[in-house]
Amino acid sequence: QKEVEQDPGPLSVPEGAIVSLNCTYSNSAFQYFMWYRQYSRKGPELLMYTYSSGNKEDGRFTAQVDKSSKYISLFIRDSQPSDSATYLCAMSRYSGGGADGLTFGKGTHLIIQP
Amino acid sequence: GAVVSQHPSWVICKSGTSVKIECRSLDFQATTMFWYRQFPKQSLMLMATSNEGSKATYEQGVEKDKFLINHASLTLSTLTVTSAHPEDSSFYICSASLPETQYFGPGTRLLVL
Repeated sequence: QKEVEQDPGPLSVPEGAIVSLNCTYSNSAFQYFMWYRQYSRKGPELLMYTYSSGNKEDGRFTAQVDKSSKYISLFIRDSQPSDSATYLCAMSRYSGGGADGLTFGKGTHLIIQP
Repeated sequence: GAVVSQHPSWVICKSGTSVKIECRSLDFQATTMFWYRQFPKQSLMLMATSNEGSKATYEQGVEKDKFLINHASLTLSTLTVTSAHPEDSSFYICSASLPETQYFGPGTRLLVL
């Protein structure tokens, strides 16, 4: 079993829809959770960073963490064609990645249809 | 803020040559930088952790003599791929660590012919 599981998609939704992206993990030592967006042939761009279980909202994005279920989600409201990208979940034991670096999911390829 | 740059963005080289990739944190100092590699349609895989003024820590399976890392200052880390071969062709991405998370550079695409 991989440490972080993420459905690679592609996930195709119409413009304006609510998008739900998810990751599960097996290592209970992970305490810090991040979502990155990556456009083709570019470096990942940080979208959300969370530490505790619960919800965190930033504009159209909401990150949700359920440590008891080892399950994290990213919701995108009012999705736009410009949101089309690959979304990577990442997690670590220590803040900033510490000595471990980040462990990434495989990424979900999201397509927003105009 | 929290901008990380990489140079070059693209490099094509012949098999057997060495290639150096630079990673800079432009508006902050980073004690720790990380180097990742990403193959097509795959996720980022951590190669090594680079700490300023000390030797890098390599992940299992990464050859430290092939991938030389130098972190000479708080804003610059370099990755040198020595005697590159076609199987080293990949997308190399660095990140710099801040207290809460990591910020990534734009990546360097390496093609070894």
